[in-house]
Amino acid sequence: EDQVTQSPEALRLQEGESSSLNCSYTVSGLRGLFWYRQDPGKGPEFLFTLYSAGEEKEKERLKATLTKKESFLHITAPKPEDSATYLCAVQAGNNDMRFGAGTRLTVKP
Amino acid sequence: DSGVTQTPKHLITATGQRVTLRCSPRSGDLSVYWYQQSLDQGLQFLIQYYNGEERAKGNILERFSAQQFPDLHSELNLSSLELGDSALYFCASSDGGLSPGELFFGEGSRLTVL
Repeated sequence: EDQVTQSPEALRLQEGESSSLNCSYTVSGLRGLFWYRQDPGKGPEFLFTLYSAGEEKEKERLKATLTKKESFLHITAPKPEDSATYLCAVQAGNNDMRFGAGTRLTVKP
Repeated sequence: DSGVTQTPKHLITATGQRVTLRCSPRSGDLSVYWYQQSLDQGLQFLIQYYNGEERAKGNILERFSAQQFPDLHSELNLSSLELGDSALYFCASSDGGLSPGELFFGEGSRLTVL
């Protein structure tokens, strides 16, 4: 069965303190790996899609990378407004989208 | 604004009752997904429709059912409600094409079962 595991569950950083979030997956026929951001009480908001190992995408202070077994979301010099839950999801051959439990990021000023 | 509309935003009901949640996808999107998000769990995939047909099924209970209508809006029906069904229910849409694509989520329907 397809599985998506995110770590850590929660992460507290000081403003400017860079770190990485991990998403490991086991899926048959990966078609895409996605990162989303979710603010409390809101729907997830799309950040990145990665299709193949070695691929990297960047947006402002965020950079996502992909290997054959895991993806990392690197956050460089985070700001308080980066505080949110970051979700990883995989899309397999049957086209449905499976999400991990998320990493709850808090950035203190 | 994602372009996905969900109604109602909040719903309070009693155990044993039945409710219907409605979702209008983004203009042009053919695929609709339903997810359940509880406090102690992540986003649990329930079911996906593409252009009116069921495409994929996740951990959807037999008490729950869904459909997608010719105008592409979708409804999720929850019956014989239990306390544990209290959750945020999200609808998401995508163009549903052969290439994997990101999902656009609505704001969710918060269901409270008392």
